Amino acid sequence: RKEVEQDPGPFNVPEGATVAFNCTYSNSASQSFFWYRQDCRKEPKLLMSVYSSGNEDGRFTAQLNRASQYISLLIRDSKLSDSATYLCVVNMGAGNYGQNFVFGPGTRLSVLP
Amino acid sequence: DADVTQTPRNRITKTGKRIMLECSQTKGHDRMYWYRQDPGLGLQLIYYSFDVKDINKGEISDGYSVSRQAQAKFSLSLESAIPNQTALYFCATSDAGDNQPQHFGDGTRLSIL
Repeated sequence: RKEVEQDPGPFNVPEGATVAFNCTYSNSASQSFFWYRQDCRKEPKLLMSVYSSGNEDGRFTAQLNRASQYISLLIRDSKLSDSATYLCVVNMGAGNYGQNFVFGPGTRLSVLP
Repeated sequence: DADVTQTPRNRITKTGKRIMLECSQTKGHDRMYWYRQDPGLGLQLIYYSFDVKDINKGEISDGYSVSRQAQAKFSLSLESAIPNQTALYFCATSDAGDNQPQHFGDGTRLSIL
């Protein structure tokens, strides 16, 4: 089993749609969680951290379920500019020197006009 | 955002050549990382450094070496390049602490002929 798995995609959705991505991780001791977006052939950019209580940033909502070891990202009212690959990132380390960021393979989203 | 700068941005070279990729940052972060990304795959960690005197191997360090010349500089070397090292290489930085995200440079596109 891979350490971090994501919905395989691609997701093709019309503008204005709501879309959700899921990510599962293997290490129950994982410390922190992030969603990044990556445009084609560009660097990953932090979209949002994922907190235990869930968090929202505008049209984006992230949830964490530690019992089931998954995180999710919900995008409401999709825009054309949301088209990108979304990377789930899990820090599986512990303590100040235990950082171990593991990246999922990404889920590609295309928002269609 | 040019806080993490990679040079060169693109490089084409021949098998057997020694290559150095450079990364510098103005974010004041202690931690720096080198990743490679192959099409359709997640980012894979090559080496990381938590401070100037600290160097650690990642999951795919064979064929690579690094040097942390200063807090702001972390270079990656391919001692004798081979075609399967053709990839997109990213440098990243992060602040200390478990919940700190990583910030990426623009990437170096490397082709080994």
